[in-house]
Amino acid sequence: DADVTQTPRNRITKTGKRIMLECSQTKGHDRMYWYRQDPGLGLRLIYYSFDVKDINKGEISDGYSVSRQAQAKFSLSLESAIPNQTALYFCATSETSGGRTDTQYFGPGTRLTVL
Amino acid sequence: AQSVTQPDIHITVSEGASLELRCNYSYGATPYLFWYVQSPGQGLQLLLKYFSGDTLVQGIKGFEAEFKRSQSSFNLRKPSVHWSDAAEYFCASGGASKIIFGSGTRLSIRP
Repeated sequence: DADVTQTPRNRITKTGKRIMLECSQTKGHDRMYWYRQDPGLGLRLIYYSFDVKDINKGEISDGYSVSRQAQAKFSLSLESAIPNQTALYFCATSETSGGRTDTQYFGPGTRLTVL
Repeated sequence: AQSVTQPDIHITVSEGASLELRCNYSYGATPYLFWYVQSPGQGLQLLLKYFSGDTLVQGIKGFEAEFKRSQSSFNLRKPSVHWSDAAEYFCASGGASKIIFGSGTRLSIRP
């Protein structure tokens, strides 16, 4: 079984709809991340969480919100989806080393299309 | 500010040829540096990482990378590429809390 799972894997929605992307992990890591990938832009950090009570904005958090329901679960919501949020979304967990973020483990991604 | 630059958007090499993918980073202190690979339709997988010590690090699938502080570089190399190496490669730099990714280099393999 995969260590980091994401649901759904693909989603097509309409402008203005609320969307939730879910992520679960069995790695036992405290740190979890949401990224978005666009062609030519690499991965950009949306939100990250170091534990259930520690949520932090990344570089492109506008239009997104997150919920850390448990150590193993980290959800990303688009409150009112817009077409430029069409992208590939990745969840990741990470180990730590010396208090710093170490190797990240990625889910398979969710391809979101907003019409 | 922390940043990672991958100057090559797309590279094509012949199967069996050597490969070098470039990465330059900007970070105030000693960075943690990573190379990840993304095969089509999949998530990212760690190839190798550098934290400290020996500046030449070995990774999976026959890849290696060399940390050069004077050039702020962490280039990825492989002596002989295989068709299965066709993928997108991301260099990343880690700080205290988050990792910054470069924009990626897409590698194509010519038969």
